Amino acid sequence: AQTVTQSQPEMSVQEAETVTLSCTYDTSESDYYLFWYKQPPSRQMILVIRQEAYKQQNATENRFSVNFQKAAKSFSLKISDSQLGDAAMYFCAYKGGSEKLVFGKGTKLTVNP
Amino acid sequence: KAGVTQTPRYLIKTRGQQVTLSCSPISGHRSVSWYQQTPGQGLQFLFEYFSETQRNKGNFPGRFSGRQFSNSRSEMNVSTLELGDSALYLCASSYTSGGYTDTQYFGPGTRLTVL
Repeated sequence: AQTVTQSQPEMSVQEAETVTLSCTYDTSESDYYLFWYKQPPSRQMILVIRQEAYKQQNATENRFSVNFQKAAKSFSLKISDSQLGDAAMYFCAYKGGSEKLVFGKGTKLTVNP
Repeated sequence: KAGVTQTPRYLIKTRGQQVTLSCSPISGHRSVSWYQQTPGQGLQFLFEYFSETQRNKGNFPGRFSGRQFSNSRSEMNVSTLELGDSALYLCASSYTSGGYTDTQYFGPGTRLTVL
């Protein structure tokens, strides 16, 4: 079974600085997708970014980018120019051949003014 | 386009009762998945429906069931509620099912408290 590990339960960053959230996963599948979701205190889960495993190029979405290392099964999220609104729980998720998402335990990000 | 909606947003029940939660997917989306979120277990997959058929099921007891209607709206039911069923129940929709490509979009969740 696939597993997703987020080794940092909590992280903090100063406003305007850069922070990187870590994620590793375990799978025997060759085709899959990886996602980062953000869950602010209001609880609405929001898609931040996604990466297709067959693509070597790292995905970027404005201030959010990933470092995808397929051989190492690593998928970290970099947030540049951090803003107060980035404060949330961040979940790394894996989606392979089945329809379900497998989530990590999450990283709580605090942004300090 | 309207997002995924879930009703009710909050629910308080007592042990032994049953509860029904509703989810309306994004217009055009035909797949609906349900997740349970608790502080201890995190996010766990319950089941997924596509075209009124359950395509995938997580490791939950038979007290948890669901269905999908022809308009893609979905309901999940929990019978004989236990204290441990207290959780945030999240619904997510995607365009199709069975493929790697679809991104799931989440609703705001239903907070269930069992007393």
